[in-house]
Amino acid sequence: SQQGEEDPQALSIQEGENATMNCSYKTSINNLQWYRQNSGRGLVHLILIRSNEREKHSGRLRVTLDTSKKSSSLLITASRAADTASYFCASQLNNDMRFGAGTRLTVKP
Amino acid sequence: NAGVMQNPRHLVRRRGQEARLRCSPMKGHSHVYWYRQLPEEGLKFMVYLQKENIIDESGMPKERFSAEFPKEGPSILRIQQVVRGDSAAYFCASSPTGAGTGELFFGEGSRLTVL
Repeated sequence: SQQGEEDPQALSIQEGENATMNCSYKTSINNLQWYRQNSGRGLVHLILIRSNEREKHSGRLRVTLDTSKKSSSLLITASRAADTASYFCASQLNNDMRFGAGTRLTVKP
Repeated sequence: NAGVMQNPRHLVRRRGQEARLRCSPMKGHSHVYWYRQLPEEGLKFMVYLQKENIIDESGMPKERFSAEFPKEGPSILRIQQVVRGDSAAYFCASSPTGAGTGELFFGEGSRLTVL
């Protein structure tokens, strides 16, 4: 199974702090993606990093990928209360895309 | 350009009834994925379809569950003889190309409650 795993399962920080979430996966990938889900809503794509990339930035988001360790991290800098959500990594190989259990981030104002 | 549309958003069924969940992908998208999510958990892959073809149904229970994506009309996830354990949120996602090449676009989900 491609199923990824995130840690921590839950993270609570103060507004302005940075939030780091980690993800591990099991097999080879074409790319790894991060998604965000607000409570009761669908998933929204945040960022995609290809297997031959090591780091990628998008606004306040920074993603790293270590294919030797089969792991990725998502860093959200200068967090805001509006960043409160669940964050999922998804590992993709050809037609197969599998999600981890997610990290529930709470940013306190 | 409308996003992925799922309906119904909420569905209540009694044990033994049938549930039909519909998904209209984004315009121009011919690849559809169905996922299931239990409360406080991640998404579990169920099935991947292209128009008129099931590409990967390895995540679907062998009994009572079926999916289709006809040439015309939405993709449908059908659950026969529902049981309480089927209560979950079912998400549909679409992409313009096959998996491995980019992001998936998700609908808002259909929340099934089995009484």
